[in-house]
Amino acid sequence: QQPVQSPQAVILREGEDAVINCSSSKALYSVHWYRQKHGEAPVFLMILLKGGEQKGHEKISASFNEKKQQSSLYLTASQLSYSGTYFCGTEVQGGSEKLVFGKGTKLTVNP
Amino acid sequence: DTEVTQTPKHLVMGMTNKKSLKCEQHMGHRAMYWYKQKAKKPPELMFVYSYEKLSINESVPSRFSPECPNSSLLNLHLHALQPEDSALYLCASSPWTSGSSYNEQFFGPGTRLTVL
Repeated sequence: QQPVQSPQAVILREGEDAVINCSSSKALYSVHWYRQKHGEAPVFLMILLKGGEQKGHEKISASFNEKKQQSSLYLTASQLSYSGTYFCGTEVQGGSEKLVFGKGTKLTVNP
Repeated sequence: DTEVTQTPKHLVMGMTNKKSLKCEQHMGHRAMYWYKQKAKKPPELMFVYSYEKLSINESVPSRFSPECPNSSLLNLHLHALQPEDSALYLCASSPWTSGSSYNEQFFGPGTRLTVL
């Protein structure tokens, strides 16, 4: 089942912060976050596992609330390069290799 | 080499044509994927190969036929496609091993397919 992302879109000025949320009605094994710029491939940002482990870029932070099956991606001191569409992908079973992506959140950072 | 390459970048084909998309990675990854992405939509999983064997087929029509000749290569054979199959086709790979925790996926730039 497709996870729900919010907000659908957000516009920031450079230096501002944003939070993107991802929630699922199913118990999750992992949550992945990707950013896709227009005309480009999705790029891996972060993976968060049930149990608290996580792996990702140093400048990106995220959380995973296992009780609520929710994940949040925190973008602080935004830069112009942060613009793009952010997708969360959820995996309900470890090792299943099946990711279901949310509809995406379009982030625009203006000067 | 830390990238996934895809060829061709663009493809225009008629409904009676047969064509193939190619994907290659040299990161030693053991899982490879095909996704379909329509404009302003998320990627939709089509197929997964793990250790060169098809492990997931998301009920994709038979006019799409995947092939994994070796651990570095993934093909998608196309035949008798419909205009609604026009989309960006993304290939991805991950270092997956059975029971591993981290399965981050690395995406190629995609092939923009137009079916006339």
